[in-house]
Amino acid sequence: GESVGLHLPTLSVQEGDNSIINCAYSNSASDYFIWYKQESGKGPQFIIDIRSNMDKRQGQRVTVLLNKTVKHLSLQIAATQPGDSAVYFCAERGLGQNFVFGPGTRLSVLP
Amino acid sequence: DAGVIQSPRHEVTEMGQEVTLRCKPISGHNSLFWYRQTMMRGLELLIYFNNNVPIDDSGMPEDRFSAKMPNASFSTLKIQPSEPRDSAVYFCASSSSLAGVARSYNEQFFGPGTRLTVL
Repeated sequence: GESVGLHLPTLSVQEGDNSIINCAYSNSASDYFIWYKQESGKGPQFIIDIRSNMDKRQGQRVTVLLNKTVKHLSLQIAATQPGDSAVYFCAERGLGQNFVFGPGTRLSVLP
Repeated sequence: DAGVIQSPRHEVTEMGQEVTLRCKPISGHNSLFWYRQTMMRGLELLIYFNNNVPIDDSGMPEDRFSAKMPNASFSTLKIQPSEPRDSAVYFCASSSSLAGVARSYNEQFFGPGTRLTVL
């Protein structure tokens, strides 16, 4: 799809296993983070967000962990399904409404 | 709600031609963003508007690019003249924010994108 990067990191997992996608962010002043999912031919879709005053947030089958000490964000997907196959982006927000997106990770779910 | 609407979905043009991309944000949203996505650079913010006013256009590549938001329900991104290196997928996104007050933590809703190919 349109979102493929030439050197996009790829994570392959077996259907039913848990997936962990990692992201390093750059701005220590960023106070809000979002994980987006982008399927082929579509725009990014919101998955889950977290504020900097939290270190963990859970949604349906997804959990986001934030480690501000090392500026690291992770997305955990439980019981990965074929429909989870997509490119996942983390985005950080610093000043104003300006979000900076990471390069993305392609998740491939194997049958 | 139909979500963010972008047109055209695909555009093929020749170098030097003017290209206009269009976006209709979600009704009630007052922030609008234009992004460009390429294989090499990923997703880049070009410009964003709050209440129809451009707030940050530092991501606009050069003078060939311009964006307008004449009213709350419509925005355009124009490239004149277009060049092959402008080929990319251009996304529009909208969100609801409280401009001028404390920042609110709101997600951006993305449109389906316009795939631009400049030959």
